[in-house]
Amino acid sequence: AQRVTQPEKLLSVFKGAPVELKCNYSYSGSPELFWYVQYSRQRLQLLLRHISRESIKGFTADLNKGETSFHLKKPFAQEEDSAMYYCALRFPPTGANSKLTFGKGITLSVRP
Amino acid sequence: GAVVSQHPSWVICKSGTSVKIECRSLDFQATTMFWYRQFPKQSLMLMATSNEGSKATYEQGVEKDKFLINHASLTLSTLTVTSAHPEDSSFYICSARGWGPMGGYTFGSGTRLTVV
Repeated sequence: AQRVTQPEKLLSVFKGAPVELKCNYSYSGSPELFWYVQYSRQRLQLLLRHISRESIKGFTADLNKGETSFHLKKPFAQEEDSAMYYCALRFPPTGANSKLTFGKGITLSVRP
Repeated sequence: GAVVSQHPSWVICKSGTSVKIECRSLDFQATTMFWYRQFPKQSLMLMATSNEGSKATYEQGVEKDKFLINHASLTLSTLTVTSAHPEDSSFYICSARGWGPMGGYTFGSGTRLTVV
């Protein structure tokens, strides 16, 4: 069965420090993976998806099929990055029946 | 960009009453809408998937008679919590997906339901 694991609940770093938010997935097919962010009192919004291979707000994520991981990284954290981050897997990857499975999320706190 | 409007943003109701939550896609047609429940500091749990004009598909363990979903048009889906009880108190979030196999998911701002 498909599953998304975010092993840590909280990551606290100082401004300017590197950030890595871990995400592992379990899926027998070819996965489509996303990172969503939820800032305080705001709705969930898409941060990036692996198929676009783009960098948003300085964040990148590389799909590693061998390790079944999709870790989110940023070289220099900013205070405005403080938020809740969710990794999500879309299954099946295409089609009207596809839906998202979310990890439990991780709170990123960036201290000044 | 795609916008999903969810109302109300919060509601308090008495135990035993029913509450309706609306989810509208404002600038696109949503082939599919999803309803999630989120407990404090926890992940989003998918409750059901609704396609316009057809019955909703509920996830295992979700009571379809308690959580009634209607997707009457390509821009509106409603979730009705019937005979609400305090344990139904939660944060409910809708999401809408547009056309095409790679249609993106857009989320509503959520509804905080408190049953007293």
